[in-house]
Amino acid sequence: DAGVTQSPTHLIKTRGQHVTLRCSPISGHKSVSWYQQVLGQGPQFIFQYYEKEERGRGNFPDRFSARQFPNYSSELNVNALLLGDSALYLCASSLVPRHFEDEQYFGPGTRLTVT
Amino acid sequence: GIQVEQSPPDLILQEGANSTLRCNFSDSVNNLQWFHQNPWGQLINLFYIPSGTKQNGRLSATTVATERYSLLYISSSQTTDSGVYFCAVEPESGGSNYKLTFGKGTLLTVNP
Repeated sequence: DAGVTQSPTHLIKTRGQHVTLRCSPISGHKSVSWYQQVLGQGPQFIFQYYEKEERGRGNFPDRFSARQFPNYSSELNVNALLLGDSALYLCASSLVPRHFEDEQYFGPGTRLTVT
Repeated sequence: GIQVEQSPPDLILQEGANSTLRCNFSDSVNNLQWFHQNPWGQLINLFYIPSGTKQNGRLSATTVATERYSLLYISSSQTTDSGVYFCAVEPESGGSNYKLTFGKGTLLTVNP
């Protein structure tokens, strides 16, 4: 079975631009979460979506937004990019949050560079 | 929010050696996972272990939830074990925020 997939793999953007990152969860998983990992640190939680509703939001500015589609795939959008947004963006999927089946599985990530 | 501390921050071993990585957390948890991040950034699931002990080949993990710590044991280490090991937890008191909080990781280098 395919794992979590993310696209694109790498992306280079200029300050002030907008970016859209995409994630497809493992088949059957209904929860998708997004994390940002800057160099040398652990991943930081951005959003979680379950059944197309936002269930959690981390401490990120309103320039960050996300949504989940009926097929449970998800998009992360970042507006007005800053140099500090350069990071590895990770998507994770799980069956059901806050349940015994809530082990999270991560995709390979999208490496975003803002110049 | 919950605090997650991992130790040691760095560890250098010779191939064949054993090691123990520790994760301390400051609150009760629903979920605790150990991951290995490879050089390409992929987080690989090692254990889902909110409590108890599990083993998978040369790796094993123990979580003592009442004392708020978890240990990851690596035996007979190989060069392919090199990378960053993360502990991540989801607190019981998270309300509707179903997020994993990660430690800063342990960078393991296994030399041939």
